[in-house]
Amino acid sequence: QVQLLQSGAEMKKPGASVKVSCKASGYTFTDYFLHWVRQAPGQGLERMGWVDPGNGDTTYAQKFQGRVTMTKDTSISTVYMELTSLTSDDTAVYYCARDPAPSGEWWFDLWGRGTLVTVSS
Amino acid sequence: EIVLTQSPGTLSLSPGERATLSCRASQSVSRNSLAWYQQRPGQAPRLLIYRASTRASGIPDRFSGSGSGTDFTLTIRRLEPEDSAVYYCQQYGNSPFGGGTKVDIK
Repeated sequence: QVQLLQSGAEMKKPGASVKVSCKASGYTFTDYFLHWVRQAPGQGLERMGWVDPGNGDTTYAQKFQGRVTMTKDTSISTVYMELTSLTSDDTAVYYCARDPAPSGEWWFDLWGRGTLVTVSS
Repeated sequence: EIVLTQSPGTLSLSPGERATLSCRASQSVSRNSLAWYQQRPGQAPRLLIYRASTRASGIPDRFSGSGSGTDFTLTIRRLEPEDSAVYYCQQYGNSPFGGGTKVDIK
């Protein structure tokens, strides 16, 4: 079954970091870019960036540069998104999503179920 | 960056009716590089339409996309209760998603 399985909910204090994982199954992991998209409570969708599981290349949205790191572990078909210096504005559901275009076009045909990250003192 | 404006903000319709959702771009969208997603309450988004008018795998033919340039439309025929959701349009590339249209089925 083709799916993206994400790690469980996290609760963090302001200033901390969080690392969310996304495990791909049912397809060749290295064939498709994987993106991270977040959604604050009651708000719309916000793109954060992507990682190329084939070679580890990354591109981050300007808003998150310097605070986000996306990595991959090919041996377990998993990508990670680490976000540092958390504030309450980072409280959101974080989704990983697959880009079906070979060279990456930033649209998404497969989504994980999301990981809720709550930042609160 | 291209800004996408979706209208209306909310659409309240009855089962069996037709929904027409608009997505207007601030600049022309090249190669009809536009997608539509459905997000039901508490769920992840789901791809409905890509390349402006191509239905994604498994999407019923009640859903159709049209348009080009700066004006795009998602049409949902014969609405069903399960169509209650927020619908987002998105231009390929690193631009913001549209703000979404909420469809309520009474």
